[in-house]
Amino acid sequence: DVKVTQSSRYLVKRTGEKVFLECVQDMDHENMFWYRQDPGLGLRLIYFSYDVKMKEKGDIPEGYSVSREKKERFSLILESASTNQTSMYLCASRIYNEQFFGPGTRLTVL
Amino acid sequence: AQSVTQPDIHITVSEGASLELRCNYSYGATPYLFWYVQSPGQGLQLLLKYFSGDTLVQGIKGFEAEFMRSQSSFNLRKPSVHWSDAAEYFCAVGEHSSASKIIFGSGTRLSIRP
Repeated sequence: DVKVTQSSRYLVKRTGEKVFLECVQDMDHENMFWYRQDPGLGLRLIYFSYDVKMKEKGDIPEGYSVSREKKERFSLILESASTNQTSMYLCASRIYNEQFFGPGTRLTVL
Repeated sequence: AQSVTQPDIHITVSEGASLELRCNYSYGATPYLFWYVQSPGQGLQLLLKYFSGDTLVQGIKGFEAEFMRSQSSFNLRKPSVHWSDAAEYFCAVGEHSSASKIIFGSGTRLSIRP
């Protein structure tokens, strides 16, 4: 079974802090994704990566950056967290047009 | 541009009743289509997918969906729901020309009446 893990299920940070969300997949997938999920808005793509050190902006990249130094790990970085980044963050890896999701990290920025 | 519309934000059905969740998409060619389910506090799990061929697709947990090109729809159905089906359901569309992006609908929350 494909496994996608995220470093934290719940996270509380303060405005202005630098935040790292980690995602690891164990199936050697090339494509990895970060989404945020907000009520009534569904999933919105923040960034994706199709190979190590390769990244592309999704639909809402502002305020975020990403890092992919190893194939299995894809990190989402909030350089200076703001209250409007309070959300559920979902990581996914993909093969043959099927995406596999992690359990999500619920981030609260105070 | 691709888009996905799930017109129903919240649906409540009785246990044992049939279910249909609506999904309409906008895409210039034949899309890849997906239905995902998200239980409370969990990530998304793939229920079923359509790439090509038979337009009636069977999925896990007794769900099925039908691709109707003329109506640009991919509605999800189940003949008899169980209390454990209470969850949020997302329809999604992907591109044939690129393996990169999947666009998700805003979701339909399903509640089950005992």
